[in-house]
Amino acid sequence: AQTVTQSQPEMSVQEAETVTLSCTYDTSESDYYLFWYKQPPSRQMILVIRQEAYKQQNATENRFSVNFQKAAKSFSLKISDSQLGDAAMYFCAMGRVRGGATNKLIFGTGTLLAVQP
Amino acid sequence: NAGVTQTPKFQVLKTGQSMTLQCAQDMNHEYMSWYRQDPGMGLRLIHYSVGAGITDQGEVPNGYNVSRSTTEDFPLRLLSAAPSQTSVYFCASSSYTGTYNSPLHFGNGTRLTVT
Repeated sequence: AQTVTQSQPEMSVQEAETVTLSCTYDTSESDYYLFWYKQPPSRQMILVIRQEAYKQQNATENRFSVNFQKAAKSFSLKISDSQLGDAAMYFCAMGRVRGGATNKLIFGTGTLLAVQP
Repeated sequence: NAGVTQTPKFQVLKTGQSMTLQCAQDMNHEYMSWYRQDPGMGLRLIHYSVGAGITDQGEVPNGYNVSRSTTEDFPLRLLSAAPSQTSVYFCASSSYTGTYNSPLHFGNGTRLTVT
């Protein structure tokens, strides 16, 4: 069975500092995507970053970057220069690359990030 | 471009009532799905569809029905609401290029309370 585990229910960071959110996963698939989604209080699900498992280079999107360790099945999210607007629930998720139009995602339980001014 | 539209945003039901959560997308996506979000449990897949006329069960399908008569619409029906169905429901869609799945596009969710 495929699983995604987020072991940090809550995290806190000072504004302008750096924080890392952890995620581990388990799958028997050889080709898959990993995602980080942000859910602010508005409830909207916002894609933060995506990593293809076959790519060794870690994905980056502005202040957001990942540390993808395929052998360890670890996929952490680093947020640099944290801003008040980064405060949200963050979900790690895993999905298939070639699903034949089937795109079922497995989600972790989420990490609630607070940003202190 | 509206993306994925869910209605209503909020709903309160009494136990035993039925209702339909609406979901529509205007991106011509083949794949549509319904998730429920519960505290401490993340998002779990209820039902999904890979095209008009084709649906299948996800991880937590009991108590819900779906149909897909058009590419655009994917309604979720609660047949007889129970307090355990109190949750936030998300509809999502994506396309398939023939090689890769695109990322999921989510609607803004429906908060359902069953009393």
